[in-house]
Amino acid sequence: ETGVTQTPRHLVMGMTNKKSLKCEQHLGHNAMYWYKQSAKKPLELMFVYSLEERVENNSVPSRFSPECPNSSHLFLHLHTLQPEDSALYLCASSQGGRRTDTQYFGPGTRLTVL
Amino acid sequence: AQSVTQPDIHITVSEGASLELRCNYSYGATPYLFWYVQSPGQGLQLLLKYFSGDTLVQGIKGFEAEFKRSQSSFNLRKPSVHWSDAAEYFCAVVGNTDKLIFGTGTRLQVFP
Repeated sequence: ETGVTQTPRHLVMGMTNKKSLKCEQHLGHNAMYWYKQSAKKPLELMFVYSLEERVENNSVPSRFSPECPNSSHLFLHLHTLQPEDSALYLCASSQGGRRTDTQYFGPGTRLTVL
Repeated sequence: AQSVTQPDIHITVSEGASLELRCNYSYGATPYLFWYVQSPGQGLQLLLKYFSGDTLVQGIKGFEAEFKRSQSSFNLRKPSVHWSDAAEYFCAVVGNTDKLIFGTGTRLQVFP
């Protein structure tokens, strides 16, 4: 499998559930990203990992908890979410974290919080 | 702070017609500019990018974009649109924060 994959593609959860989103990149990249895409709003950068270390936390609420166990995998752990957290969550990777590095995106996980 | 404006939320064109999607950015120095496309149910795919040099940039799928510093614009063009081009298009800029800042997107609808 090539590129950036995300599982699950769709997720419905209650406000008291705990779930995790998974992202895997097969490109040999060193940087990985989580974005939130809500209707009518620009993509919002949530977290950036470079060489498995978190280098950016864009004021994201603590109910979102990222984990990067190695350079190929990125998780987003979710707990006690709110309905306004319903969105498309996109993972991306790039060779490094430099501004000239192209980011490659996965297909996203469509999250619905009831 | 850097920002990107895509003035057109929704554009409809006939198949075979020409297309121009507008993008304006706000950044003091020379920005790094990108256009991405998102088909339904898919992630974002890079169409083209501009870092420096020739201000007319060629991309995939027959798209091109022109960087105009005087107008702070990076408009995307295609001479003849195909039905498969129907998607959402995002302009993005990277400035001195090294973050990719996206516009709100333009949804393109193509009629046969």
